[in-house]
Amino acid sequence: GNSVTQMEGPVTLSEEAFLTINCTYTATGYPSLFWYVQYPGEGLQLLLKATKADDKGSNKGFEATYRKETTSFHLEKGSVQVSDSAVYFCALRAGNKLVFGAGTILRVKS
Amino acid sequence: SQTIHQWPATLVQPVGSPLSLECTVEGTSNPNLYWYRQAAGRGLQLLFYSVGIGQISSEVPQNLSASRPQDRQFILSSKKLLLSDSGFYLCAWSARQVNTGELFFGEGSRLTVL
Repeated sequence: GNSVTQMEGPVTLSEEAFLTINCTYTATGYPSLFWYVQYPGEGLQLLLKATKADDKGSNKGFEATYRKETTSFHLEKGSVQVSDSAVYFCALRAGNKLVFGAGTILRVKS
Repeated sequence: SQTIHQWPATLVQPVGSPLSLECTVEGTSNPNLYWYRQAAGRGLQLLFYSVGIGQISSEVPQNLSASRPQDRQFILSSKKLLLSDSGFYLCAWSARQVNTGELFFGEGSRLTVL
């Protein structure tokens, strides 16, 4: 079946540190891949997406590359800010549905 | 532009009471509609999705039901709430014909069952 596995958190970083949140997936075919972000008390917002192998999604300094050979879509940012503190969800599109990972809490300290 | 609204934003209900959460989408037609639940400290679980009026797919057996009385309205209900129904409920929509597209989420409804 379709599933998404994310690294467990919480991830705690100092401001300006480099961020990587790992995401791997299991799916039939080549699904579209997404990263969503959830700020405290809010719904989910799309952060970035990639629809085919080797695509790189990017937004707000975050990047993720669709790696078919490793079935991965790791999220990276070169220099995090306190305002990046949130929960990050990796997801894949399977037909009509989005399948989400468990989410990774990111805490950035000043 | 498209918008999605959920209400109420916060709800505290006693065990055994009924529930109705409403979601409406504006600015689009024939959307796919979804209800997800996010339990405390856990990820997102898809509860129901709908590809059209009166068409509901249930993902997990549970104490809840969903209805889609109009094209852009999606309602989550329960006749008798359980403690385990507490959580953060998220409504979402996606374009019907775009299989690569993202979901757009509402602001969520936080339900506490006491």
